[in-house]
Order: sequence, then structure tokens, then C-alpha cells
Amino acid sequence: AQTVTQSQPEMSVQEAETVTLSCTYDTSENNYYLFWYKQPPSRQMILVIRQEAYKQQNATENRFSVNFQKAAKSFSLKISDSQLGDTAMYFCAFMLTMGFQKLVFGTGTRLLVSP
Amino acid sequence: KAGVTQTPRYLIKTRGQQVTLSCSPISGHRSVSWYQQTPGQGLQFLFEYFSETQRNKGNFPGRFSGRQFSNSRSEMNVSTLELGDSALYLCASSFTTGDGYTFGSGTRLTVV
Repeated sequence: AQTVTQSQPEMSVQEAETVTLSCTYDTSENNYYLFWYKQPPSRQMILVIRQEAYKQQNATENRFSVNFQKAAKSFSLKISDSQLGDTAMYFCAFMLTMGFQKLVFGTGTRLLVSP
Repeated sequence: KAGVTQTPRYLIKTRGQQVTLSCSPISGHRSVSWYQQTPGQGLQFLFEYFSETQRNKGNFPGRFSGRQFSNSRSEMNVSTLELGDSALYLCASSFTTGDGYTFGSGTRLTVV
């Protein structure tokens, strides 16, 4: 079974600073996808960034980037120039695609960005 | 373009009743999935539908069921509600495999 572990329940950062959220996962499969989702208090889950396991290049989306270490099964999210609007729960998720799609989520990291 | 629409946003039901939640995916998206979110269990997969076929189901009792219509709209039903069914139910849709799901705002179900 696939599992996703987020070891940081809560993190705090000041505006304009950089923060890194950790995520590790466990799978014996070789082809999969990894995602980071953001869930603000409005509760809508928003896709932040997506990584295909067969691509070695780390994904980036504006201020968000990942450090994907396939051998170590690690997938951390770096947020640069943090903004107040980044305050949210962040979920790391893993997806196998074997004739169906199913996301396995970590327990989440609550990020607070302060002025 | 319109996002994933879930109705209703909030629902209060009594133990023993049944409930139906609705989800309209983004136009053109054929894969629709449902997730349950609770403080204790986190986010758990309920089921996935593709072109009206259930492709996978999570580890939930048979009281939880769903379906998908020809226009990709989906419903999930929970019968004989229990207090533990109180949760945020999230629907998500995607166009193709590995795209990353787009989620709706969820339905907050409270069972009293």
C-alpha cells in the first residue's frame, strides 16, 4: 500500500521569507504522480504543483518549486517570497494510475504566514 | 470556465436518514472522484467514476454509494447515516490521467 508522510504538523514563516514543507512517500511502483495541494480556510483544495515521477527535472510554478528525490522517495515543497495569502493547510499527495486514479494524501502541514 | 460545483454546501441530517450529494465536474472532464475529509481520519478516497463506470472504491461500508451520469455529473449517497459520517465531502474531476484533480468547495455534512 502507498503511504504519504508529512512530518511537520505546523510551520510558521514571515512574509517574504522562504519556507520548505517536507513530504515522504512509500511505494514499490515506478510510475506515479506527486502533487501538492493547498487548502485555505475557504476549504477548497487548490492544486499547487504537479510532478511526474519519470521526469527528473523538478517542477516549478512561479514562487512554488519542489525538490523531488525519487530514490529517497522525498517530495518537498519550497515556497519563496511567502505571502499572507499562502496561509493554508498544505497536503502532499501521491497518485498511481493503474486503470483508475486515486489520490493518497498526507496528513497535511498548516502553514501560517505572518506580517 | 466553470469549476467543479458541489451542492448543497451545507447539510444537516439526523441519524438514520439518508443523503444525496451532487457534483458537476468541469466540462469535458470524465473522471470524477469523491473524498471524505475529517479531522481524525484526514482525506480518504471514496470512489472514482469514469464514463459512468465505477473504476475504484475506497474502504467504506456499503452504505456509501455513488453513480455517474452520461453528462459526467456524479452523485453520492449515504444511507442510514451515523454520527461518524459527519465530514466534508469533496468531489474532484480531471480531464486525463495524472492531470491533477480540480476540486469543488465541498459539502459539509453534519449528522445529529
